[in-house]
Amino acid sequence: NAGVMQNPRHLVRRRGQEARLRCSPVKGHSHVYWYRQLPEEGLKFMVYLQKENIIDESGMPKERFSAEFPKEGPSILRIQQVVRGDSAAYFCASSPGPNYGYTFGSGTRLTVV
Amino acid sequence: KNEVEQSPQNLTAQEGEFITINCSYSVGISALHWLQQHPGGGIVSLFMLSSGKKKHGRLIATINIQEKHSSLHITASHPRDSAVYICAVTLNTGTASKLTFGTGTRLQVTL
Repeated sequence: NAGVMQNPRHLVRRRGQEARLRCSPVKGHSHVYWYRQLPEEGLKFMVYLQKENIIDESGMPKERFSAEFPKEGPSILRIQQVVRGDSAAYFCASSPGPNYGYTFGSGTRLTVV
Repeated sequence: KNEVEQSPQNLTAQEGEFITINCSYSVGISALHWLQQHPGGGIVSLFMLSSGKKKHGRLIATINIQEKHSSLHITASHPRDSAVYICAVTLNTGTASKLTFGTGTRLQVTL
C-alpha cells in the first residue's frame, strides 16, 4: 500500500517556464493538501482540495498558481511563468477526512534558474 | 506573533540523553501534530493529539489543552533521531482542516 506519491522529486525550470507538480494520495484518501517550504523557512499552507473541488485556497498566490484534483488521476499543482522566488520544496499530504491524521509525500524540490 | 511557537530552535544532545521539545499555541485547535523531517527528506507524521499523552517506541507526546502547550520527548536519544521536529495544529475554525506549523526544532544527536 503506497503512501503519498509525489513526482518529480526534483524539478529544474528556467524563469518563465511552467512547472507541474503531481501528487497521488494514499488509496482511499479524498482530501489533499499542498504546502510550500521556502529555503530556511517553515511550512506554509497553500491549498486544500477534495475530489473535483477546491475547499480552501487561502494560501495560494493570486496569480500564476493553480491546483486541481480531478475525479481520476493525481492532484496537480501548476505554476505558470515561474520566477526565482518560486524555488522551494512543495509537499503534498492526504487524509481520509478533516479529523484524521495526514500522510505526507516526499516533496518536490523546485529550482528556478 | 506566530500562532504556533516552538522551543528551542536548535538542540544538540549526546547519545542517550533525554530530550524535550516544547510547543505553545495561541488559538483554539482541534488537534496537534508532531512531524519529523530529515535534511532533504520528506515529512513523517509522528503523532496526532487532541488530549492526554501518546507513546510510540522511544517517543512520547503530551498535550495540555488548558495551557495550550505540548511537549515531545525522546528517551535514550540516538544519532538517527537527528532531524527537524515540527509542531503543527489544526485550527478549530469551521471546515478548515489545514495545518498551521511552528518553525521547527533542529535536533542534532552526537555520539
